[in-house]
Amino acid sequence: QVLLQESGPGLVKPSQTLSLSCSVSGGSISSGDYYWSWIRQPAGKGLEWIGRISTTGSTSYNPSLRSRVTISVDSSKNQFSLKLSSVTAADTAVYYCARGKEMSTILDCWGQGTLVTVSS
Amino acid sequence: DIVMTQSPDSLAVSLGERATINCKSSQSVLYSSNNKNYLTWYQQKPGQPPKLLFYWASTRESGVPDRFTGSGSGTDFTLTISSLQAEDVAVYYCQHYYDTPPTFGGGTKVEIK
Repeated sequence: QVLLQESGPGLVKPSQTLSLSCSVSGGSISSGDYYWSWIRQPAGKGLEWIGRISTTGSTSYNPSLRSRVTISVDSSKNQFSLKLSSVTAADTAVYYCARGKEMSTILDCWGQGTLVTVSS
Repeated sequence: DIVMTQSPDSLAVSLGERATINCKSSQSVLYSSNNKNYLTWYQQKPGQPPKLLFYWASTRESGVPDRFTGSGSGTDFTLTISSLQAEDVAVYYCQHYYDTPPTFGGGTKVEIK
């Protein structure tokens, strides 16, 4: 059974860069026909897809965030990461990592999520 | 971006009764080359991540009870709970994956009447 776990600072100052990692256990991040995505959810609101990376390292980002987002993968650590630059209070949300099966964004396995607050 | 619109925003259903949630996309998510609808449904309980229920609009994910049914094609989709159980109280989201970015509906909150 594959498990995903997000980690990173829970508080980020405005204008700084939000950095999160997602550790994958129970399977190799490099095997299988999977995409690895980041999604966020402001408190009491809906879901927004941020972007994804494939096992080969190709990326795709939400155009609304593309200029500020970088997703990378570290196969040696079996994890992938999110960097979101120039954050504002509007970036405050629970951030989820998730696995997409069939090389898509059919998100079949999710981390528990981590709350990131942007505040000075 | 494809806009996903869910209705209703919330509904209250008696235990054992049917619950129906609708999802409409601003353009078709049916890919003509393979005749598949690029549409998923998720269930999210408080304090938990979303859980995948259906993909390809009507393919049930392993472990999902058969009282849940996904249906529809093109731009109009439905999630039906045939006999509501207490553990089905949650917010339900549809999501397309037809193109980038995948987008979610605003969610439908299901409660017990």
